[in-house]
Amino acid sequence: DAGITQSPRHKVTETGTPVTLRCHQTENHRYMYWYRQDPGHGLRLIHYSYGVKDTDKGEVSDGYSVSRSKTEDFLLTLESATSSQTSVYFCAISQPTGVGYNEQFFGPGTRLTVL
Amino acid sequence: AQSVAQPEDQVNVAEGNPLTVKCTYSVSGNPYLFWYVQYPNRGLQFLLKYITGDNLVKGSYGFEAEFNKSQTSFHLKKPSALVSDSALYFCAVRDGSGGYNKLIFGAGTRLAVHP
Repeated sequence: DAGITQSPRHKVTETGTPVTLRCHQTENHRYMYWYRQDPGHGLRLIHYSYGVKDTDKGEVSDGYSVSRSKTEDFLLTLESATSSQTSVYFCAISQPTGVGYNEQFFGPGTRLTVL
Repeated sequence: AQSVAQPEDQVNVAEGNPLTVKCTYSVSGNPYLFWYVQYPNRGLQFLLKYITGDNLVKGSYGFEAEFNKSQTSFHLKKPSALVSDSALYFCAVRDGSGGYNKLIFGAGTRLAVHP
C-alpha cells in the first residue's frame, strides 16, 4: 500500500464522541486526501491537503476537520461522531506534476462504526 | 461539472473469456482518466491512466483501457479473465476545480470471474 499507513484500522465508537483517524506516509508526497467509501457512492472526497498547514474542503466535509502539521501526517477528526459517519475511510497521497495529472496511492483504510 | 458513470453494478464473466468494465465521463477540458481496483479489505490500487496520446492504454495485471473521445468512454478490458481478477473496479476522472490531482470516482463495478 505504497508506504501509507492508517490508524486505527478498526474502531467502534458511540454517537457524540470525538474520533481522530491518522494517516502516515513515508513517500514524502506533497498532496494528501481523505475519502469515505460507502456502497453505491464510490469514494467521496472529505478534505485534502496541498502542503503542510494547507488544507481545503472536499465534497462531503460537513462534520469533519483535518490538520497537517508535518509532511508525513494527515489527521481526520470527527468532532462529534454520528451514525451517518459509519463508513470506511481511506487516505491517499499524490505528487504534483508539471504536465498532466498524477495518480493517487491509497492506504489500507479504517473501518469506523458509530453506534 | 466533471462526472463519471459506471453503468453496471456487477459484471459476470467466465474464466478465460474477455472482460469489459464500462465507464463514461463528462468533463470540460482535457479528460484525464484513471482505473483503480480494490480487492476485499484492501485499499484501491492504481491500474492505468489516460492523459494524452495513444487511445489504447496498457496497465498492470494485463489490463488495458480504450479511450474513445466521440463516445466519451474509457472502458477497461482484459483479453482473458482470471478468477483472481474478481474485485471492485473504479473509474475516475480529474476534478477540474483547482487541480492538486483531485479525482472524482464512479460508484464502482463489481467483477465476478467464475471458474
